[in-house]
Amino acid sequence: EAQVTQNPRYLITVTGKKLTVTCSQNMNHEYMSWYRQDPGLGLRQIYYSMNVEVTDKGDVPEGYKVSRKEKRNFPLILESPSPNQTSLYFCASSLGAGGPFYEQYFGPGTRLTVT
Amino acid sequence: KQEVTQIPAALSVPEGENLVLNCSFTDSAIYNLQWFRQDPGKGLTSLLLIQSSQREQTSGRLNASLDKSSGRSTLYIAASQPGDSATYLCAVFDRDDKIIFGKGTRLHILP
Repeated sequence: EAQVTQNPRYLITVTGKKLTVTCSQNMNHEYMSWYRQDPGLGLRQIYYSMNVEVTDKGDVPEGYKVSRKEKRNFPLILESPSPNQTSLYFCASSLGAGGPFYEQYFGPGTRLTVT
Repeated sequence: KQEVTQIPAALSVPEGENLVLNCSFTDSAIYNLQWFRQDPGKGLTSLLLIQSSQREQTSGRLNASLDKSSGRSTLYIAASQPGDSATYLCAVFDRDDKIIFGKGTRLHILP
């Protein structure tokens, strides 16, 4: 089954403790991205990647890191999480970018709480 | 900078009515526009993708239109049902290779 998976689905952590949220897709997609969703602010793009070893900042990159060492994986890294990073996080992928027919496929979400 | 706006933020209609949700964007240089549905606490389900050269797309009771020159898209839902209650989001894939979402319209269908 074609899908985007995220792990963990729920995470409670403390301020300053490094964490990684994994994202994987099995559709051989080139474009992958991370979003956070907050009440009243909607979904905002954190980082995106056009292909392996190619990443770029979205609208809210501060406090986050990403890497794209393999095509299928795009982990989101919080080196020193803070309470303002408590949010619902989504990973998404599409076959590519730069064209009109590239549909976004979303993972199920990761609910992160930083205390 | 691209901005996407959805009006209204919330909408309640009786079951069986036809309804229209609106999405506007400030920069017409987009690759496509995608409509999603999100149920409370859940992920996003893709409803329709409209390519920049297309005027509309249809899927069942849903019809989405795109007027790129005026920066507008609408999602038309025919014969609404209680199961249509959800938040509807639109997102544009813009020419900077970024994806920008509107804040959504929370739809409630009254039985």
